[in-house]
Amino acid sequence: QVRLVESGGGVVQPGTSLRLSCAASGFSFNNPMHWVRQAPGKGLEWVAVIGPDGNIKAYAASGKGRFTISRDNSKNTLSLQMTSLGAEDTAVYYCAREGQSSGKAGIFDFWGQGTLVTVSS
Amino acid sequence: DIQMTQSPSTLPASVGDRVTITCRASQTISNWLAWYQQKPGKAPNLLVSKASNLESGVPSRFSGSGSGTEFTLTISSLQPDDFATYYCQHYNTYPVTFGQGTKVEIK
Repeated sequence: QVRLVESGGGVVQPGTSLRLSCAASGFSFNNPMHWVRQAPGKGLEWVAVIGPDGNIKAYAASGKGRFTISRDNSKNTLSLQMTSLGAEDTAVYYCAREGQSSGKAGIFDFWGQGTLVTVSS
Repeated sequence: DIQMTQSPSTLPASVGDRVTITCRASQTISNWLAWYQQKPGKAPNLLVSKASNLESGVPSRFSGSGSGTEFTLTISSLQPDDFATYYCQHYNTYPVTFGQGTKVEIK
């Protein structure tokens, strides 16, 4: 079955960097992949997307210039490099697979369990 | 960016109730609308795509409708497992955005 397992979260100081990873299994890993985050007690916010071969990337305004999404198809791994972190980046970060049956990009049919990033001094 | 507004924010209900959640988009999104269910401490789960297409394995008591800017998610007879928070999400263009959520709680 489809499985997405995030790792790399933790407590970091403002202004520092952190790299999140997502290990995928149970499917061909040729879907576009996304990161979506959720601040504590808040709603969902899309963060970034990467195409199947890694050539196409897009970011939410909140992370543009600070976050870099990447993938290693040989290892079925998705990553998110985050720099210049601030308190506003505190959230659970989910990796999510893009569903391909609805006819349009940007829908998430499987999610990992999430990894918590806390930015605090 | 397209803004998604859900109502109500909280919905007290009882088992067996018919429940309706509304989602409005700030501009037309055709039928590129999804609904997710999220339980505490868990990841969201996709219920409905393309406004009205029920995902595989989702109970038939769930249904979605609407197009353009107004959408609804209906639970025909609320079950104990349905107490959760529900989010709508447009995927008409990037950035995709979510509604603020509707928490269905026990009355």
